[in-house]
Amino acid sequence: AQSVTQPDIHITVSEGASLELRCNYSYGATPYLFWYVQSPGQGLQLLLKYFSGDTLVQGIKGFEAEFKRSQSSFNLRKPSVHWSDAAEYFCAVALYSSASKIIFGSGTRLSIRP
Amino acid sequence: DTGVSQDPRHKITKRGQNVTFRCDPISEHNRLYWYRQTLGQGPEFLTYFQNEAQLEKSRLLSDRFSAERPKGSFSTLEIQRTEQGDSAMYLCASSRIENDEQFFGPGTRLTVL
Repeated sequence: AQSVTQPDIHITVSEGASLELRCNYSYGATPYLFWYVQSPGQGLQLLLKYFSGDTLVQGIKGFEAEFKRSQSSFNLRKPSVHWSDAAEYFCAVALYSSASKIIFGSGTRLSIRP
Repeated sequence: DTGVSQDPRHKITKRGQNVTFRCDPISEHNRLYWYRQTLGQGPEFLTYFQNEAQLEKSRLLSDRFSAERPKGSFSTLEIQRTEQGDSAMYLCASSRIENDEQFFGPGTRLTVL
């Protein structure tokens, strides 16, 4: 069965430090990959997506992610975090069969240390 | 583009009562999705519509749950005889057929006492 694994439940980084959130997926073919962010009281916001092509994807708010087929990974990175980046981050896989439903990981909560 | 809206934002109900949630997608979006998110978990797919047709239902969607999108615009999700296990955030998303990026609403938080 298709699945998405985010091994880190909670990460704390200092403001201005670099960030990497890990994501691994299990899927028979090359999936469509996403990172979403969810702040308290806010809806899920798409940070970036990978459908095909360049495996390094740029997103909003200074985030980027790299698709590595050999490792079945799609890790999210940011060179310098801001206090406003504190939120829950979800990696997700889309199954583009008839449903186009998205399968989400369980999320990584990011806290920022002043 | 006013985004996906959901109503109500919060609902508290007693076990055994029926509840109904509404989702208004982005205009001209043909696809509409419902997800459920419990505490500490990512959203889980429940069902989706293409225009007014409900094309897939998750096994998570028991027979107490029903969703409609009668005119291919807004959608409703009804839960009958609510149980405490139904307490969750119910998220709605919409997308255009030719571009499957899904835009999410703020969700309806349901608490069943």
